[in-house]
Amino acid sequence: KQEVTQIPAALSVPEGENLVLNCSFTDSAIYNLQWFRQDPGKGLTSLLLIQSSQREQTSGRLNASLDKSSGRSTLYIAASQPGDSATYLCAILQGAQKLVFGQGTRLTINP
Amino acid sequence: NAGVMQNPRHLVRRRGQEARLRCSPMKGHSHVYWYRQLPEEGLKFMVYLQKENIIDESGMPKERFSAEFPKEGPSILRIQQVVRGDSAAYFCASSPVQGSYNEQFFGPGTRLTVL
Repeated sequence: KQEVTQIPAALSVPEGENLVLNCSFTDSAIYNLQWFRQDPGKGLTSLLLIQSSQREQTSGRLNASLDKSSGRSTLYIAASQPGDSATYLCAILQGAQKLVFGQGTRLTINP
Repeated sequence: NAGVMQNPRHLVRRRGQEARLRCSPMKGHSHVYWYRQLPEEGLKFMVYLQKENIIDESGMPKERFSAEFPKEGPSILRIQQVVRGDSAAYFCASSPVQGSYNEQFFGPGTRLTVL
């Protein structure tokens, strides 16, 4: 059974810092991995999707990496801004149809 | 191209009533997924549907919950005889295809409160 863990559960950093969010998973037989952002009381916004055969994806200030052999993914956020404050969710596509989510990292960027 | 639409956004029911949650997938998407987010918990898969077919309902509670995606109209998640433990945010997602290129796009969710 796939289990997804995100560390830390909460993170608070000053504006402008670069930061890394971590995601680990127990079963390396994955189809893809998605990083999402969730604002309080809102839905999920897809940030990056990494296919099983890929090592990383980049979008603007965001970079996500995938290491299947070690069961790890990281989300790197460069030059953080207060608007980046949100909960970040890592999800593994299991069996080509269902996403298995981590508990999320609640990120606060302090002006 | 409108995103995934869910309604209502907020739903209040008393114990024992029925709740009906609706989801309209993105245009061109024929795969629909329902997830539930209980308070202070992560999102959990409930059910995966294609038009007129339930493909995987391994995450659905055995009783009181049902889902459908008819040939015409939105997907419906139905909860009969709601209890306080059903209070949660219910999210719908859709995708155009199945497989490794399956990116799921999420709706804004329906927040169900059971009094």
